[in-house]
This record gives sequence, structure tokens and C-alpha cells, in this order.
Amino acid sequence: DAGVIQSPRHEVTEMGQEVTLRCKPISGHDYLFWYRQTMMRGLELLIYFNNNVPIDDSGMPEDRFSAKMPNASFSTLKIQPSEPRDSAVYFCASSRGRDRASYEQYFGPGTRLTVT
Amino acid sequence: AQSVTQLGSHVSVSEGALVLLRCNYSSSVPPYLFWYVQYPNQGLQLLLKYTSAATLVKGINGFEAEFKKSETSFHLTKPSAHMSDAAEYFCAVRATSGTYKYIFGTGTRLKVLA
Repeated sequence: DAGVIQSPRHEVTEMGQEVTLRCKPISGHDYLFWYRQTMMRGLELLIYFNNNVPIDDSGMPEDRFSAKMPNASFSTLKIQPSEPRDSAVYFCASSRGRDRASYEQYFGPGTRLTVT
Repeated sequence: AQSVTQLGSHVSVSEGALVLLRCNYSSSVPPYLFWYVQYPNQGLQLLLKYTSAATLVKGINGFEAEFKKSETSFHLTKPSAHMSDAAEYFCAVRATSGTYKYIFGTGTRLKVLA
């Protein structure tokens, strides 16, 4: 399996621009998670989906952030408008909830976002 | 509410020495526990997991961890450190029911000295 795929790997944008981060989970996984990692705040869960439905978005920082999962193999995290404080590494992870032996999450390589 | 505490944001050991990274959790019932490793500019990779089977869990790269309910701990150990073990290590906790949210610790950066 190819693992969790994220694109782009690096994104540099100017304040006020829209940013879209993309994720393809591992085939057969029914849970998908979006995290943000910064030096100051560590690893934060933003939102997670089960069977393409958002289950908990309490970690989404504000209305500028939105996430969608239109099908089992694709999810997006959008920031509009972007701000310098959104600069971070954004990770996508997936897991297979039905298999009791496989609770672990598999992480993608991350997208490093820089907002200037 | 569940939480996890990692003692020591930075740990240095000599090559060949014992590695001990500490993790304590807070949970009303024994949770699922995980250790992940993150190498520079990479995502997190699972080292090992405790899911209520054996209390001593062996993982990849020679690491192991012991679940101690009485101490609410899940410390990570490796008998002999290698230079390649230098990375950041994260402990995580997840409830056994109700939510699939993971709570991650703040991480411990391991430095291995030659």
C-alpha cells in the first residue's frame, strides 16, 4: 500500500490567500484525521471523519478553517483567508475502525504551510 | 477527560546506553496507549501499542513499553541506544469506547551522543 498521501508537501502563500491541503487515506480505512503541528502548541487534532462524515470538529480553530471528505479516498482542509499564524505542518492520518487489532493511526508525510 | 504527560522535553543518552522515555496518562478506565516516533521532516510512525492484551509490549527497532496500571504509566525503553534512534517520540492515549480521538503528549526529543 502507498500509505497516506498528502499534497502539496510544501506551500508558501501570502496572507489573505486561500489554501487547500489534500489527503488520500489508505484504502479500506474508514477514519480520517487532520492534525496541525507547531512548536508552540505541539500536535493538535483539528477534525476527524468516520465514513466520510465529520464526527468531531471541536479542534478547528475558527471559521476560516473548513474540511470536507467527499468520498472515502479524498479529503481537503481549506483555510480562507490564510494568516501568518496558520503557518504549521498539517498532517493527515487514517485508521481502520472496524478491525479491533488495528486501532493505530497511519500518518502522511505532512504539508508544511508558510503564510507570509 | 483523558490526558497524557511526557516528562522531559529533551533527553540525551550515549550510544549504547539505556533509553528511557516517560509517559503517564490520566484516564478513568485503562485506555489504549501508543508510542510514535517522528524523524525530521517526516510524519509520525507507530512504534508500539497497548490495547489491553499483554502489559509488556514489544515494538519495532528494539523498543518496548510496559503498561503499569497502578502507576498510570507507559514508559518507553530500549536497552542500547543507536545513533539512528535520534528523533522525537510521542506518547498518545485513546479511549476504549465512545471516541476515536487520540490525545498526544508534547513529545520528547531524543539525542544520542557518540
